[in-house]
Amino acid sequence: GIQVEQSPPDLILQEGANSTLRCNFSDSVNNLQWFHQNPWGQLINLFYIPSGTKQNGRLSATTVATERYSLLYISSSQTTDSGVYFCAVRFSGGYNKLIFGAGTRLAVHP
Amino acid sequence: EAQVTQNPRYLITVTGKKLTVTCSQNMNHEYMSWYRQDPGLGLRQIYYSMNVEVTDKGDVPEGYKVSRKEKRNFPLILESPSPNQTSLYFCASSRAPEQFFGPGTRLTVL
Repeated sequence: GIQVEQSPPDLILQEGANSTLRCNFSDSVNNLQWFHQNPWGQLINLFYIPSGTKQNGRLSATTVATERYSLLYISSSQTTDSGVYFCAVRFSGGYNKLIFGAGTRLAVHP
Repeated sequence: EAQVTQNPRYLITVTGKKLTVTCSQNMNHEYMSWYRQDPGLGLRQIYYSMNVEVTDKGDVPEGYKVSRKEKRNFPLILESPSPNQTSLYFCASSRAPEQFFGPGTRLTVL
């Protein structure tokens, strides 16, 4: 069946460290988004990135659609980066429903 | 500011007492949807609407109703809430393919 898998499930970092989060998906997609869910539960749009590379400050993302994966890079992590990071995709041919991965829970310690 | 708003943000209620969670967007998006988030199950789509007066079931529609009388509003109705509907609810809107999420409504049904 259709799957979105994220790794690692949990990640603990010291402030200032860099990290890479991965999202694998099982079929071709026409939408891929990365979200950050903060400790208050809000979902923050990070990137809309069905292919290619984007950067926003300390965050960047790369999606290689032909190989069915996306990477989220966090550089110089800060305690405010803590929370859960979700990858969500809409598969080609499907209606406008996002399918979410299980998320990566990140804790950044000072 | 372009946004999706939800009200209330927090609600504690009792079994069987009808409630409505409102959702409004100011981006003139045609597509809107509701998701619920539960531990270990991620985000799952409840209902979606492609346009005014057009709604359809998502993956977990049982126990919910929706209506779309205006483009900007998409309320979620629980006619007879039960404890298994305790969850974090998100409304989203989209001019395909990118989706934007509201701040979430944390509902507890006792």
